[in-house]
Parts: sequence; C-alpha cells; structure tokens
Amino acid sequence: DSGVTQTPKHLITATGQRVTLRCSPRSGDLSVYWYQQSLDQGLQFLIQYYNGEERAKGNILERFSAQQFPDLHSELNLSSLELGDSALYFCASSVAIQGSGYTFGSGTRLTVV
Amino acid sequence: AQSVTQPDIHITVSEGASLELRCNYSYGATPYLFWYVQSPGQGLQLLLKYFSGDTLVQGIKGFEAEFKRSQSSFNLRKPSVHWSDAAEYFCAVGATDKLIFGTGTRLQVFP
Repeated sequence: DSGVTQTPKHLITATGQRVTLRCSPRSGDLSVYWYQQSLDQGLQFLIQYYNGEERAKGNILERFSAQQFPDLHSELNLSSLELGDSALYFCASSVAIQGSGYTFGSGTRLTVV
Repeated sequence: AQSVTQPDIHITVSEGASLELRCNYSYGATPYLFWYVQSPGQGLQLLLKYFSGDTLVQGIKGFEAEFKRSQSSFNLRKPSVHWSDAAEYFCAVGATDKLIFGTGTRLQVFP
C-alpha cells in the first residue's frame, strides 16, 4: 500500500457519459498529480494541484477537469467520453510543489465502450 | 525541451544474468531523476531516485543507478536478475511541476 488511494479501481462506461475518479493523497502530501497511461501515448501528465490550487496543466483535454478539496483529496472529472479515453489514470502525491518524491496510487482503469 | 529517452523498448535476459536499462534525459538544470517499475495491471513503484550527491544510487530490490552528467544518462543496473523482475521500467525526470516519463522498457526474464 503506497498510501495514495484511488477509487474506483475499474470503471466501464459508455461513450458520451461522464465519470469521476477520486484520489486521496498520502498523509502529509499537499500536491496531487494526475496522469493518463495509454498504449499509444504512454504516461502523460494531465494536471497538478497544490493545497487546493491548480498549479500546472499538461495534456489535459477540455472535456476533462479536476479539483482538489480542502481535505486535499482530488477528483478528476471526464465528460463526453470517447473510446480513445480508455486508459489507466494514475494519481500521485508529493509533499512539495516540485516533488522530490512522488508516490503513485494503483490507478483507475477506465474502459469506454 | 525537457525529455526522457529510453532507447530499448523490450529487453530479454536469462534469470541470473546482469541487467542494464538505459535512460537519457534532456533537462536544463540539475535534474531530479527517478526509476519506477510497473508490474502488469499494477501501479508505479519507485525503485530509486537521484537528487544530488553520490552519483551511484542504491534502490530497492537490489537495483542501482548511476548518474552521469557528461552523458546525460541515468542507467539502471542489477547484477543478477530474478524472474520476479519481469515488468515495465520507466525512467523519469522531475521538472518544476511534473514528472516527465520515458516510454518505458519492458523486461522479460527467461528461466
């Protein structure tokens, strides 16, 4: 157990639908990062939050959004889902903005049918 | 631009043989460097990291990596591979706001 908790572990949904992925960071970590892992794109950085504020954006689609709540858990919202959104979505946490140590959760496998 | 290159997509070794996985990075400042391992269907586990100091870094599971600034490399090594080491290995550089990952090297171990 890495200390980073992601739910659900698996999600199957239809095209056009909306889903929410949840991440609880390791205790004491203020930064949360979201990554997407797909066969064709590899591991792609989506977005970072630090202590409730968005700090950096990567290759995140406009159909996707995220937020970090006061208790530091984060949610990644994916809407108008397409087949190509099927991927593993990872959350990672670190203490600082520039993470000297990143701890990853076990991921949420999203399948869009 | 910041980037990480893992030139070997797939490596096959026999159990007990030595292993070296290559990683080259492009980063303007002094890099934070990481190696992660991912078993099938699993998350990413940190093997080791380099921030500063001794350029030879020891990690978990008997892995080590050497930072060579002149070659912009951070190769991962293990003297004797076990069948349980079969997995995908990712090298990453820590940029100011994220990790930049290489494309990964899939390690296959034959008995």
